[in-house]
Amino acid sequence: AQSVTQLDSQVPVFEEAPVELRCNYSSSVSVYLFWYVQYPNQGLQLLLKYLSGSTLVESINGFEAEFNKSQTSFHLRKPSVHISDTAEYFCAVSQNSGGSNYKLTFGKGTLLTVNP
Amino acid sequence: EAGVTQSPTHLIKTRGQQATLRCSPISGHTSVYWYQQALGLGLQFLLWYDEGEERNRGNFPPRFSGRQFPNYSSELNVNALELEDSALYLCASSLAFVTYEQYFGPGTRLTVT
Repeated sequence: AQSVTQLDSQVPVFEEAPVELRCNYSSSVSVYLFWYVQYPNQGLQLLLKYLSGSTLVESINGFEAEFNKSQTSFHLRKPSVHISDTAEYFCAVSQNSGGSNYKLTFGKGTLLTVNP
Repeated sequence: EAGVTQSPTHLIKTRGQQATLRCSPISGHTSVYWYQQALGLGLQFLLWYDEGEERNRGNFPPRFSGRQFPNYSSELNVNALELEDSALYLCASSLAFVTYEQYFGPGTRLTVT
């Protein structure tokens, strides 16, 4: 079984400040890792993913996340946030093995609120 | 390219009734997934359909069921609605052999009164 823990349920920051949203996972097998973003009253959008290779992955809108296998973490960071980044962010994991990689297990989400 | 679409956007039912939610996947995607996003419970995997077959289901009672049609669209049925079924139901789709990379629709907000 796998699980995801998002350590902060809410993160308020000021515009142009840096932000880190924390995500830890547990799994008995190797995993794929994802960050999804959910804007108010919308569905989930895939923000970035780690499948293999470089442990640092980036999105087109300035977010990045680093896979740390020893710490079983996949924290999301942005050096300077905008008001438009206000949303709920979900970390998710799926197993990297056999027929079990269909099931995404999500964390509870972190509400990022960017204030002017 | 059109994304995953879901209908209706909102659905209000009374306890004991049945609800039917619909999903159209991205063109070329054959796998469809359903998730429930309930307050306080987060996102939970409900069902996975591929090539018209139910491949797996999460920890939900049998009154949650569905099907996938030949055009790969899908329907989720919830029978004997209970108040705690009130939630946002999200549909996602993926390519057949890339099941971990799922693209989500906007969801259907089901309210049970």
